[in-house]
Amino acid sequence: GDSVTQMEGPVTLSEEAFLTINCTYTATGYPSLFWYVQYPGEGLQLLLKATKADDKGSNKGFEATYRKETTSFHLEKGSVQVSDSAVYFCALIKAAGNKLTFGGGTRVLVKP
Amino acid sequence: GAVVSQHPSWVICKSGTSVKIECRSLDFQATTMFWYRQFPKQSLMLMATSNEGSKATYEQGVEKDKFLINHASLTLSTLTVTSAHPEDSSFYICSASGQGGEKLFFGSGTQLSVL
Repeated sequence: GDSVTQMEGPVTLSEEAFLTINCTYTATGYPSLFWYVQYPGEGLQLLLKATKADDKGSNKGFEATYRKETTSFHLEKGSVQVSDSAVYFCALIKAAGNKLTFGGGTRVLVKP
Repeated sequence: GAVVSQHPSWVICKSGTSVKIECRSLDFQATTMFWYRQFPKQSLMLMATSNEGSKATYEQGVEKDKFLINHASLTLSTLTVTSAHPEDSSFYICSASGQGGEKLFFGSGTQLSVL
């Protein structure tokens, strides 16, 4: 079946450091890929998405590129802030309205 | 953006009791709601999908008689964990989508601890 694997956390960084969270997937067909973020005490929010190979999703300084050849969708941000401290989930979906398959989540802690 | 409210945020209960978790879409009609569960250091796992007015569809391995899902209106779905046991302790989170299912909105989750 479909699966998403992402790096385990916690990831602890200093402010303005470069962040990478690795995500790889296994799925048949051509899934859409997502990154969700959960800030403390809040629900998951869609951070960015990509729907086909070589698409780049971006939002709030975060970027991720859909790499079909490596089945990856790594999340990157060039300069993190304390407010980026959250849990990040990589996910895929194969059809609109269908169920999401999530990775295990990566907790990121940014220290001032 | 759309808001999904989930209550309670956390609950502690005794083994053998039942716990109800509510998921409300506050500013849109949720034709479909999803319930997920996450054990520590594991993925969010889909438990069931519910469409308003019909029976929920449960994922393989999820006991429908233990995890009762009701989606009686377009703005409310409930998950009841019946006769809870310590192994049911987990983080439960709901999500909702409107017509077309193009966007999903998540609740803030419920941490259940069964003593």
